[in-house]
This record gives sequence, structure tokens and C-alpha cells, in this order.
Amino acid sequence: ETGVTQTPRHLVMGMTNKKSLKCEQHLGHNAMYWYKQSAKKPLELMFVYSLEERVENNSVPSRFSPECPNSSHLFLHLHTLQPEDSALYLCASSQARRTEAFFGQGTRLTVV
Amino acid sequence: AQSVTQPDIHITVSEGASLELRCNYSYGATPYLFWYVQSPGQGLQLLLKYFSGDTLVQGIKGFEAEFKRSQSSFNLRKPSVHWSDAAEYFCAVGGGNEKLTFGTGTRLTIIP
Repeated sequence: ETGVTQTPRHLVMGMTNKKSLKCEQHLGHNAMYWYKQSAKKPLELMFVYSLEERVENNSVPSRFSPECPNSSHLFLHLHTLQPEDSALYLCASSQARRTEAFFGQGTRLTVV
Repeated sequence: AQSVTQPDIHITVSEGASLELRCNYSYGATPYLFWYVQSPGQGLQLLLKYFSGDTLVQGIKGFEAEFKRSQSSFNLRKPSVHWSDAAEYFCAVGGGNEKLTFGTGTRLTIIP
């Protein structure tokens, strides 16, 4: 069992759909992150949760809505996405005050 | 603001040859530095990290990196590459808070 697990691994959705990405970490960490990785662009930090509180939101459009019900789980709720939102979405976790992040395998999202 | 520059977008190396991937950073205080590797369709795996102490750090898979404060660099090296090292490599900088800043990555191709 890997330390950070993301589901689903692949997702194809229409622009009018609503879907959710799930992330679960088994490392006892108390900070979790969503990153977006698009082709030929640096990794973009989307959201940071520390001790279940959202501490950072990097100007992400409201069609992306994160949820962190507890320190082990993180969700990214998606609705009315655009084709340019197609990317690899990576979840990561770390201990607060330390920046060594452990990543999941990502969800490859395609918006059609 | 912190930043990371990986000047080489793509490097091709013969199997068995030595490797050096460049990373330069900008950070106002003592940085935490990381190298991650990403295989196609996968998440990022931590290769090694520098927090303090010995400036030459050893990582997994035979990789090492050297922190040079005077040059603001943290170059990754391997004395002899294997075909399985073909992947994308990311340098990252952080500083004791929850935020990591990543470089744009260097894609490594191994030729027989």
C-alpha cells in the first residue's frame, strides 16, 4: 500500500459534469496539497490544507472546490470544467513545518 | 519570492555515462532543497533532500546532490546511469513552511 493514494487514476468528464477526486494518505501527516501539472508548465500549487484548515488558495477558479474532512483525506470537487483544465492532478502530504512532500500517483483528467 | 531554475529542458545520456542535472534557486534564507523524479503517468518520488549539515547528500537509486550556497545551486549527479533512470527530474525549494516551489523539470533520455 503506497503512502498517498489517489482515485481515480484516470477520469474523462464533460464540461457539464460534476465529479470528485479523492486522496488518502497513510503517513500520519497533517498537511495535504493539490497540485496541477500541465504539459510544458511548472507544477502549480492549487490548495494547501494544514491541520484540516485551508491555509492557501492560489487563485484557483471556483469550479475547483477542495474539501478536507480529516487529516488523512482530501477531495477535489469539480464542476463545469473547461478543456484547459485537462491535466494531471497530484495530491501530496507532509508534516506541517517541514516541506518534504510525498506524492500520490495522480489523476489524469480529460475534459471533453 | 522563492524560485527554481532548471536550465536544461531535455538531456540525452548514454547508458553507463555520468549525469549531472542543474538546479539554481533563489531563496531569502537557508533553503530546504529537494530532487524528485517522475516516470510517465506517475506521481513524483523523492530522490533526496537537503535541510542542513553536510552539503553532499546521498539519495536513492545511486543519486547524489551537492548544495553550493555561493552558487545558489543544488545539482543532481549520478556516476553511471541505467536505462531505468529515464524520467523527468524536478528540483524544488522550500523553507520550513508548507510551500514547495518546483522547477520546470528536466527530461532525461537514455540511449543504449
